[in-house]
Amino acid sequence: DGGITQSPKYLFRKEGQNVTLSCEQNLNHDAMYWYRQDPGQGLRLIYYSQIVNDFQKGDIAEGYSVSREKKESFPLTVTSAQKNPTAFYLCASDDGGVNGYTFGSGTRLTVV
Amino acid sequence: QQPVQSPQAVILREGEDAVINCSSSKALYSVHWYRQKHGEAPVFLMILLKGGEQKGHDKISASFNEKKQQSSLYLTASQLSYSGTYFCGTEKEETSGSRLTFGEGTQLTVNP
Repeated sequence: DGGITQSPKYLFRKEGQNVTLSCEQNLNHDAMYWYRQDPGQGLRLIYYSQIVNDFQKGDIAEGYSVSREKKESFPLTVTSAQKNPTAFYLCASDDGGVNGYTFGSGTRLTVV
Repeated sequence: QQPVQSPQAVILREGEDAVINCSSSKALYSVHWYRQKHGEAPVFLMILLKGGEQKGHDKISASFNEKKQQSSLYLTASQLSYSGTYFCGTEKEETSGSRLTFGEGTQLTVNP
């Protein structure tokens, strides 16, 4: 079955460390997205990519970086510059049509 | 700019109806609706396009008022399985691609 796989499900990081969250899709979608979810604030866009080797900043890109070397993969790195990284991170993809976004199951990052 | 959802929360008894609203200050091309169960990924419900028709399946339907840049989600004869947080995601006319901005969500609880 096609879908989006995010790993790990839970991640703990010490302050000052970079960490990379994995996102893989086998839906053959061109567009992929990273959202951050905090309680009571909905989903906020971090980065998005509409094609391989190209990506754009979203609304809250500071302290994050991404790459899109393959169509299937869109990893997100949370750097030490991100002041408040503890959150639930969701990866999504879509085919640009009317089928909406498909979301992964998320990674819950906690800074300790 | 983030769309505004109302109400923030609603509690129903099984079989009752509910309406969730989503409004934007920007001209919209599309509105998406998603439902998220606690700790899970959001799931796509439906999309409404500018110039399109009201959508619906089973007992969940939605409308899009282009003049007011507002969308409403209608849940009739609610079931226990309808419980969760509902998000609208809006796509502005001037942005290219389906980059969505999400509202803060409406928490719906259906009790027996």
